[in-house]
Amino acid sequence: GENVEQHPSTLSVQEGDSAVIKCTYSDSASNYFPWYKQELGKGPQLIIDIRSNVGEKKDQRIAVTLNKTAKHFSLHITETQPEDSAVYFCAASTQGGAQKLVFGQGTRLTINP
Amino acid sequence: KAGVTQTPRYLIKTRGQQVTLSCSPISGHRSVSWYQQTPGQGLQFLFEYFSETQRNKGNFPGRFSGRQFSNSRSEMNVSTLELGDSALYLCASSLGGMAYEQYFGPGTRLTVT
Repeated sequence: GENVEQHPSTLSVQEGDSAVIKCTYSDSASNYFPWYKQELGKGPQLIIDIRSNVGEKKDQRIAVTLNKTAKHFSLHITETQPEDSAVYFCAASTQGGAQKLVFGQGTRLTINP
Repeated sequence: KAGVTQTPRYLIKTRGQQVTLSCSPISGHRSVSWYQQTPGQGLQFLFEYFSETQRNKGNFPGRFSGRQFSNSRSEMNVSTLELGDSALYLCASSLGGMAYEQYFGPGTRLTVT
């Protein structure tokens, strides 16, 4: 079935440095790739997404890149701040008349002051 | 605009009982999806409703069911609870574009004893 692999599972960076989280997907028909941020005790928050007809998208300190040929996409966070500490999930849509999202296992990002 | 709301936030049930969880989507959103989140399995898709019709279903047993009302509010029901059903149950709403731009609620934490 459809599968999304996410790496690394944990990531610790110094405040001000950049963080990169990578995901690969198995369904070549996937055409939508969102990223979610989940803080303790809260539901996942949509932070950025990209569709398959775009290679890169940026929103202030956050960017996502997509390589359809290699079937992988990445989240880049620059100038990290303590409030960026959270669990981040990538997801990919699946093929089919009524698409659904398949999620990666998550990356726990810790920003050290 | 108010976000997705879920009630109750916390629930403790005994094995064998049944439970009903409620989700109110963002105003104007017609699609509601339900997910189960556990430390071991991550975020897993349960089902999606649009205009009171179930459009897609994940790989969960028939004990898990749902419905959607004419005002787009949705409920999910789990019958004959098992210990393994302990999880955070999340609902997400979107304007109608299936997997696109899903916004999550805070979740219902279900504990089965």
